[in-house]
Amino acid sequence: DTGVSQNPRHKITKRGQNVTFRCDPISEHNRLYWYRQTLGQGPEFLTYFQNEAQLEKSRLLSDRFSAERPKGSFSTLEIQRTEQGDSAMYLCASSFSQYNEQFFGPGTRLTVL
Amino acid sequence: AQTVTQSQPEMSVQEAETVTLSCTYDTSESDYYLFWYKQPPSRQMILVIRQEAYKQQNATENRFSVNFQKAAKSFSLKISDSQLGDAAMYFCAYRSSNSGYALNFGKGTSLLVTP
Repeated sequence: DTGVSQNPRHKITKRGQNVTFRCDPISEHNRLYWYRQTLGQGPEFLTYFQNEAQLEKSRLLSDRFSAERPKGSFSTLEIQRTEQGDSAMYLCASSFSQYNEQFFGPGTRLTVL
Repeated sequence: AQTVTQSQPEMSVQEAETVTLSCTYDTSESDYYLFWYKQPPSRQMILVIRQEAYKQQNATENRFSVNFQKAAKSFSLKISDSQLGDAAMYFCAYRSSNSGYALNFGKGTSLLVTP
Protein backbone atom coordinates (compact mmCIF):
# COMPACT_ATOMS: atom_id res chain seq x y z
CA ASP A 1 0.00 0.00 0.00
CA THR A 2 1.61 3.27 -1.10
CA GLY A 3 -0.93 5.63 0.46
CA VAL A 4 -0.57 7.87 3.50
CA SER A 5 -0.19 5.84 6.68
CA GLN A 6 -0.69 6.90 10.27
CA ASN A 7 0.25 5.22 13.52
CA PRO A 8 -1.19 4.40 15.89
CA ARG A 9 -4.73 4.16 14.61
CA HIS A 10 -6.14 4.49 18.11
CA LYS A 11 -4.70 5.96 21.27
CA ILE A 12 -6.27 6.09 24.70
CA THR A 13 -4.47 8.12 27.31
CA LYS A 14 -5.05 9.73 30.65
CA ARG A 15 -5.31 13.46 31.07
CA GLY A 16 -1.92 15.02 31.59
CA GLN A 17 0.02 12.41 29.64
CA ASN A 18 2.02 13.13 26.50
CA VAL A 19 1.21 11.42 23.20
CA THR A 20 2.95 11.28 19.85
CA PHE A 21 1.48 10.37 16.48
CA ARG A 22 3.32 9.50 13.30
CA CYS A 23 2.44 10.14 9.67
CA ASP A 24 4.20 8.63 6.68
CA PRO A 25 3.26 10.51 3.52
CA ILE A 26 3.20 9.22 0.00
CA SER A 27 6.73 8.93 -1.28
CA GLU A 28 7.95 12.08 -3.08
CA HIS A 29 5.16 14.24 -1.68
CA ASN A 30 6.86 17.34 -0.35
CA ARG A 31 3.78 18.82 1.33
CA LEU A 32 2.40 17.36 4.53
CA TYR A 33 -0.64 18.61 6.42
CA TRP A 34 -2.11 17.90 9.84
CA TYR A 35 -5.84 18.35 10.54
CA ARG A 36 -8.01 17.67 13.57
CA GLN A 37 -11.57 16.38 13.28
CA THR A 38 -13.95 16.34 16.21
CA LEU A 39 -17.26 14.48 16.23
CA GLY A 40 -19.81 16.02 13.92
CA GLN A 41 -17.37 18.51 12.44
CA GLY A 42 -15.26 18.79 9.36
CA PRO A 43 -11.49 18.59 9.62
CA GLU A 44 -9.75 21.73 10.88
CA PHE A 45 -6.29 22.70 9.73
CA LEU A 46 -3.49 22.54 12.29
CA THR A 47 -0.20 22.92 10.44
CA TYR A 48 1.66 22.07 7.27
CA PHE A 49 5.18 21.38 6.07
CA GLN A 50 6.95 21.84 2.81
CA ASN A 51 9.77 19.35 3.00
CA GLU A 52 11.20 19.81 6.49
CA ALA A 53 10.06 23.41 6.92
CA GLN A 54 6.94 24.09 8.95
CA LEU A 55 5.36 26.92 6.98
CA GLU A 56 2.10 27.62 8.75
CA LYS A 57 0.45 26.91 12.08
CA SER A 58 -3.16 27.63 12.90
CA ARG A 59 -4.29 29.25 16.12
CA LEU A 60 -5.64 25.82 17.10
CA LEU A 61 -2.09 24.64 17.58
CA SER A 62 -1.50 25.68 21.17
CA ASP A 63 1.92 25.59 22.79
CA ARG A 64 1.17 22.07 24.01
CA PHE A 65 1.27 20.88 20.40
CA SER A 66 4.45 20.44 18.41
CA ALA A 67 5.01 18.96 14.99
CA GLU A 68 8.17 17.99 13.21
CA ARG A 69 9.16 16.60 9.86
CA PRO A 70 12.83 15.70 10.03
CA LYS A 71 14.51 15.26 6.66
CA GLY A 72 11.25 16.01 4.93
CA SER A 73 9.96 12.47 5.16
CA PHE A 74 7.66 11.26 7.96
CA SER A 75 6.12 13.68 10.44
CA THR A 76 5.28 13.48 14.12
CA LEU A 77 2.67 15.38 16.07
CA GLU A 78 3.16 15.53 19.83
CA ILE A 79 0.62 16.71 22.36
CA GLN A 80 1.95 17.44 25.82
CA ARG A 81 -0.16 17.43 28.99
CA THR A 82 -3.22 16.15 27.15
CA GLU A 83 -6.65 17.52 28.03
CA GLN A 84 -10.07 15.98 27.45
CA GLY A 85 -10.69 18.61 24.78
CA ASP A 86 -7.85 17.10 22.76
CA SER A 87 -9.97 14.01 22.09
CA ALA A 88 -10.42 13.92 18.32
CA MET A 89 -9.35 12.25 15.10
CA TYR A 90 -6.00 13.56 13.92
CA LEU A 91 -5.67 13.39 10.16
CA CYS A 92 -2.56 13.64 8.06
CA ALA A 93 -2.54 14.45 4.35
CA SER A 94 0.17 14.83 1.77
CA SER A 95 0.45 16.32 -1.70
CA PHE A 96 3.09 16.56 -4.40
CA SER A 97 2.89 20.33 -4.39
CA GLN A 98 0.60 23.09 -3.22
CA TYR A 99 -1.35 22.80 -6.47
CA ASN A 100 -2.03 19.09 -6.28
CA GLU A 101 -4.64 16.97 -4.57
CA GLN A 102 -4.20 16.23 -0.88
CA PHE A 103 -4.32 12.52 -0.09
CA PHE A 104 -5.48 11.67 3.40
CA GLY A 105 -4.41 8.98 5.79
CA PRO A 106 -6.81 6.90 7.91
CA GLY A 107 -6.26 9.09 10.97
CA THR A 108 -5.33 8.53 14.59
CA ARG A 109 -8.25 8.58 17.00
CA LEU A 110 -7.22 10.02 20.35
CA THR A 111 -9.31 9.53 23.48
CA VAL A 112 -8.26 11.40 26.59
CA LEU A 113 -9.81 10.04 29.78
CA ALA B 1 -11.20 34.08 6.82
CA GLN B 2 -13.12 31.89 4.47
CA THR B 3 -16.10 29.98 5.80
CA VAL B 4 -17.77 26.96 4.25
CA THR B 5 -21.37 26.15 5.09
CA GLN B 6 -23.18 22.89 4.49
CA SER B 7 -26.75 23.40 5.59
CA GLN B 8 -27.89 19.79 5.24
CA PRO B 9 -26.63 17.64 8.14
CA GLU B 10 -28.27 14.54 6.65
CA MET B 11 -29.67 13.54 3.28
CA SER B 12 -31.29 10.36 2.07
CA VAL B 13 -31.62 8.98 -1.44
CA GLN B 14 -32.92 5.76 -2.94
CA GLU B 15 -30.62 3.60 -4.96
CA ALA B 16 -30.47 4.66 -8.63
CA GLU B 17 -31.96 8.08 -7.85
CA THR B 18 -30.27 11.47 -7.96
CA VAL B 19 -29.38 13.62 -4.96
CA THR B 20 -27.90 17.09 -4.62
CA LEU B 21 -25.79 18.21 -1.68
CA SER B 22 -25.52 21.94 -1.00
CA CYS B 23 -22.52 24.05 -0.09
CA THR B 24 -22.03 27.78 0.18
CA TYR B 25 -18.85 29.65 1.02
CA ASP B 26 -17.71 33.10 1.89
CA THR B 27 -14.55 34.62 0.48
CA SER B 28 -13.17 37.89 -0.77
CA GLU B 29 -10.72 36.16 -3.09
CA SER B 30 -11.30 35.81 -6.80
CA ASP B 31 -9.07 32.81 -7.39
CA TYR B 32 -9.53 29.64 -5.38
CA TYR B 33 -10.38 25.95 -5.54
CA LEU B 34 -13.40 24.06 -4.31
CA PHE B 35 -13.59 20.38 -3.50
CA TRP B 36 -15.97 17.66 -2.47
CA TYR B 37 -14.47 14.93 -0.29
CA LYS B 38 -16.11 11.65 0.69
CA GLN B 39 -15.46 10.02 4.06
CA PRO B 40 -17.00 6.52 4.34
CA PRO B 41 -17.57 5.15 7.84
CA SER B 42 -14.24 4.26 9.47
CA ARG B 43 -12.41 4.83 6.22
CA GLN B 44 -10.17 7.56 4.97
CA MET B 45 -11.23 10.65 3.14
CA ILE B 46 -11.02 10.61 -0.63
CA LEU B 47 -11.40 13.34 -3.20
CA VAL B 48 -14.60 13.15 -5.25
CA ILE B 49 -14.33 16.21 -7.45
CA ARG B 50 -12.59 19.58 -7.69
CA GLN B 51 -13.43 22.89 -9.33
CA GLU B 52 -11.12 25.77 -10.16
CA ALA B 53 -12.86 29.11 -9.62
CA TYR B 54 -11.48 30.57 -12.85
CA LYS B 55 -13.19 27.86 -14.89
CA GLN B 56 -16.77 28.54 -15.92
CA GLN B 57 -17.44 24.95 -16.91
CA ASN B 58 -18.77 22.77 -14.14
CA ALA B 59 -16.58 19.79 -13.23
CA THR B 60 -17.82 16.26 -13.86
CA GLU B 61 -16.45 12.91 -12.74
CA ASN B 62 -18.55 9.98 -13.92
CA ARG B 63 -21.75 10.04 -11.80
CA PHE B 64 -20.61 13.10 -9.85
CA SER B 65 -21.04 16.64 -11.08
CA VAL B 66 -21.08 20.09 -9.54
CA ASN B 67 -23.11 23.22 -10.02
CA PHE B 68 -20.68 26.07 -9.42
CA GLN B 69 -22.26 29.49 -9.11
CA LYS B 70 -19.38 31.90 -8.44
CA ALA B 71 -21.45 35.04 -7.99
CA ALA B 72 -23.75 33.29 -5.54
CA LYS B 73 -20.78 31.55 -3.88
CA SER B 74 -22.54 28.25 -4.20
CA PHE B 75 -21.03 24.85 -4.98
CA SER B 76 -23.45 21.92 -4.97
CA LEU B 77 -22.68 18.27 -5.67
CA LYS B 78 -25.02 16.12 -7.73
CA ILE B 79 -24.78 12.36 -7.47
CA SER B 80 -26.61 10.53 -10.25
CA ASP B 81 -27.64 6.87 -10.23
CA SER B 82 -26.86 6.61 -6.52
CA GLN B 83 -25.27 3.41 -5.31
CA LEU B 84 -25.09 1.83 -1.86
CA GLY B 85 -21.36 2.53 -1.84
CA ASP B 86 -22.05 6.26 -2.05
CA ALA B 87 -23.21 6.25 1.57
CA ALA B 88 -20.75 8.41 3.49
CA MET B 89 -20.07 11.82 4.96
CA TYR B 90 -19.50 14.38 2.24
CA PHE B 91 -17.42 17.45 2.96
CA CYS B 92 -17.23 20.59 0.90
CA ALA B 93 -13.85 22.31 1.12
CA TYR B 94 -12.27 25.58 0.02
CA ARG B 95 -8.64 26.22 -0.74
CA SER B 96 -7.05 29.57 -1.41
CA SER B 97 -4.77 29.84 -4.40
CA ASN B 98 -2.78 32.64 -2.82
CA SER B 99 -1.58 31.43 0.53
CA GLY B 100 -1.51 28.48 2.86
CA TYR B 101 -3.13 25.95 0.56
CA ALA B 102 -4.68 24.24 3.56
CA LEU B 103 -8.22 23.01 3.08
CA ASN B 104 -11.07 24.77 4.85
CA PHE B 105 -13.92 22.28 5.37
CA GLY B 106 -17.63 22.54 6.02
CA LYS B 107 -19.30 20.47 8.72
CA GLY B 108 -20.35 17.77 6.32
CA THR B 109 -23.50 16.10 5.08
CA SER B 110 -24.24 12.51 5.97
CA LEU B 111 -25.68 10.70 2.94
CA LEU B 112 -27.81 7.62 3.45
CA VAL B 113 -28.56 5.42 0.44
CA THR B 114 -31.55 3.12 0.76
CA PRO B 115 -32.19 0.03 -1.40
